[in-house]
Amino acid sequence: DSGVTQTPKHLITATGQRVTLRCSPRSGDLSVYWYQQSLDQGLQFLIQYYNGEERAKGNILERFSAQQFPDLHSELNLSSLELGDSALYFCASSVFISGEDTDTQYFGPGTRLTVL
Amino acid sequence: AQKITQTQPGMFVQEKEAVTLDCTYDTSDPSYGLFWYKQPSSGEMIFLIYQGSYDQQNATEGRYSLNFQKARKSANLVISASQLGDSAMYFCAMREGNTGGFKTIFGAGTRLFVKA
Repeated sequence: DSGVTQTPKHLITATGQRVTLRCSPRSGDLSVYWYQQSLDQGLQFLIQYYNGEERAKGNILERFSAQQFPDLHSELNLSSLELGDSALYFCASSVFISGEDTDTQYFGPGTRLTVL
Repeated sequence: AQKITQTQPGMFVQEKEAVTLDCTYDTSDPSYGLFWYKQPSSGEMIFLIYQGSYDQQNATEGRYSLNFQKARKSANLVISASQLGDSAMYFCAMREGNTGGFKTIFGAGTRLFVKA
């Protein structure tokens, strides 16, 4: 158990809908990362938050947005869902000490999203 | 341009033997981190080992070691004394960025099968 929690574990929804995925980082970790893992695209970095602020952005669609709250949990919002959004969505967390190169990300169990 | 290359889609190894999983990377950033993660069939991502770009010695963690050849831009994972439980997907990843934020890029993965 990495200490990172994600809810829900599974989510089934229809095209055009909006969903919210939730992540709680490990105790003491200030940074949260979101990833999408699909069969055709592999594991793709979406976005990083540190202590409530966006710090790095990857291949995140405009239909997707994220935020990190004062209690450090994070939510990933996916809207206008398409069939191609079906994937495993991971959240990871790390301490992210400024200048610390050994910062390691620990992954949650993931949320499997199925868009029908 | 692909920045992390894992050329072995699948590998077989006999139980108790050692196996090397290949990973090459490409970056112009002088400071970066290299990671290996294991993903069993259950889906979770398990951190295995980390190598910093400035580390002089190869990283080791139990049965895992990372053969880091900076000039060749390779970061191969060596698993010694393979066990049946090592059967999984293995991902090489590179973290780029500065203290502002980190982007982590994953390779396509290598599926390892350990034979009894």
